[in-house]
Amino acid sequence: ETGVTQSPTHLIKTRGQQVTLRCSSQSGHNTVSWYQQALGQGPQFIFQYYREEENGRGNFPPRFSGLQFPNYSSELNVNALELDDSALYLCASSLGQPIEPLHFGNGTRLTVT
Amino acid sequence: QKEVEQDPGPLSVPEGAIVSLNCTYSNSAFQYFMWYRQYSRKGPELLMYTYSSGNKEDGRFTAQVDKSSKYISLFIRDSQPSDSATYLCAMIDYKLSFGAGTTVTVRA
Repeated sequence: ETGVTQSPTHLIKTRGQQVTLRCSSQSGHNTVSWYQQALGQGPQFIFQYYREEENGRGNFPPRFSGLQFPNYSSELNVNALELDDSALYLCASSLGQPIEPLHFGNGTRLTVT
Repeated sequence: QKEVEQDPGPLSVPEGAIVSLNCTYSNSAFQYFMWYRQYSRKGPELLMYTYSSGNKEDGRFTAQVDKSSKYISLFIRDSQPSDSATYLCAMIDYKLSFGAGTTVTVRA
């Protein structure tokens, strides 16, 4: 069974730039969620996709957007990067709706300078 | 007030001790409760998952849920240095909401 994989593992961007992070879901999982984890904090929910449709969003501005593809892989896009966007971005997948436990990837560490 | 409050720690215990971790929550819509373990530079790993009030055991780990008090706990018996990690409580209504995490160090 292949777990959740994320790329890249590390990324450095400049304020104002745009970034795309990628995630491959665990085999058979059709729900993907994205979380932001600042240093020393718990992960914060950004949004969730189920069968290519966004079906839940946390308290993040519209410059955070995403996509889920027919093979259930996913992208997180962040426009107009700010210094506070520096964090670990985690992708998690599950089978079906959110009541199923989430399985996380190891994240992408984004640093905005 | 945050939806999920977790004792900040850090916690340092000798090998073999019992580790006790706690979270409280304010959202009555939370129905599913989880504990995740996160090693440095890794994603969270699911440890325990429970729905009802009461205790659930899995090896050295016991998860306890008290819905009437909105309080959950995780106990680690016979702690090992390999248990040194950050432990995150998490709860679900329509999304997973996490506590801030407690960093645990088990000293050999």
